[in-house]
Amino acid sequence: DAGVIQSPRHEVTEMGQEVTLRCKPISGHDYLFWYRQTMMRGLELLIYFNNNVPIDDSGMPEDRFSAKMPNASFSTLKIQPSEPRDSAVYFCATSPWAGGETQYFGPGTRLLVL
Amino acid sequence: QQQVKQSPQSLIVQKGGISIINCAYENTAFDYFPWYQQFPGKGPALLIAIRPDVSEKKEGRFTISFNKSAKQFSLHIMDSQPGDSATYFCAVRETSGSRLTFGEGTQLTVNP
Repeated sequence: DAGVIQSPRHEVTEMGQEVTLRCKPISGHDYLFWYRQTMMRGLELLIYFNNNVPIDDSGMPEDRFSAKMPNASFSTLKIQPSEPRDSAVYFCATSPWAGGETQYFGPGTRLLVL
Repeated sequence: QQQVKQSPQSLIVQKGGISIINCAYENTAFDYFPWYQQFPGKGPALLIAIRPDVSEKKEGRFTISFNKSAKQFSLHIMDSQPGDSATYFCAVRETSGSRLTFGEGTQLTVNP
């Protein structure tokens, strides 16, 4: 298996632009998690899905952030409009088991908002 | 609120030495305590994990020690190698769900 696939790997955009991050989970994994990593705040859970349904979005910082999982093979995290403080590495992780044990992380998307 | 505190922030060890990283948590409603390892430019990867019904788990050179009464757990890396140089994160999982809360991370450097 190719593991969790994220795209793009790097994104540079200007403040106010829309940013869409993409994730393809490992086949058969029912849980999908979106994390944000920064030096100041560490690794934070933004939202997670179970069987394509959002379960906990309490970590989504504000309404500018939205996430979708239209099917078992694809998820997006969208930021609109983007701000410089959104600059971070965004990880997608998936897990095959109830309880989210052993989460498999993707390589991340490094986002820079100028 | 910060539910898990990790220390030290950075650690330098000589090859062959023992690396020890500590985590303390504030809530008793956790049932799973993993450690993740992250190399530069990569996503974190599960290293080892423990449940609260045991006090120690060992996998090769890596050992978790768990103290339920003190609400602390630690990672011990025996015979540390330069290839162990990475950032290590402890985490806790809430009993009621699938959310992992991560510690701040420890940057480990093992000198040759």
